[in-house]
Amino acid sequence: DQQVKQNSPSLSVQEGRISILNCDYTNSMFDYFLWYKKYPAEGPTFLISISSIKDKNEDGRFTVFLNKSAKHLSLHIVPSQPGDSAVYFCAASAENSGTYKYIFGTGTRLKVLA
Amino acid sequence: DTGVSQNPRHKITKRGQNVTFRCDPISEHNRLYWYRQTLGQGPEFLTYFQNEAQLEKSRLLSDRFSAERPKGSFSTLEIQRTEQGDSAMYLCASSLGESTYEQYFGPGTRLTVT
Repeated sequence: DQQVKQNSPSLSVQEGRISILNCDYTNSMFDYFLWYKKYPAEGPTFLISISSIKDKNEDGRFTVFLNKSAKHLSLHIVPSQPGDSAVYFCAASAENSGTYKYIFGTGTRLKVLA
Repeated sequence: DTGVSQNPRHKITKRGQNVTFRCDPISEHNRLYWYRQTLGQGPEFLTYFQNEAQLEKSRLLSDRFSAERPKGSFSTLEIQRTEQGDSAMYLCASSLGESTYEQYFGPGTRLTVT
């Protein structure tokens, strides 16, 4: 039972354009969401997070949007740069339910073309 | 101290042998997590420590797996009687806890069971 789904295994975007990565979840108890970026042979690197009490969080070129009614979140990268090419994972947790584990999606490989 | 460190980075072992991995978290972080990642998948939660207490374990963590964090600092993950299906990347992450939930990952230990 995949509680966190990233249905697009890969995405290609031209440099300077917007990259939109999507994530869907099924567990309505999830209340905290994170996005990670992963380069080959490295551990995931934290990018940005959002609490369920918000619908948007912005940090520089990265913005995460949360639509609780649709159980959907998205990561926008504007403008996309070649260095953004990596695998992106979304993760979710039900912190207020007393569990601290994070459930990760399967990842989306982003390729930014120069 | 610039991040989470894991040792060894690579381990090749024969089926049936025991292996032990070490994780050193960021020094002020009181939460420590172990994950397993296989090809094409996101990290899968194995277990979680708050200080020295192991508070949550996944059912993925069979009785051949044991984790410790004896003094609330570094942690070890041991796999006994390794099987080929144990081949994966084992990731450690730490977080500050309290109101900060972002997890910071180490580079991982890649285990190959032959």
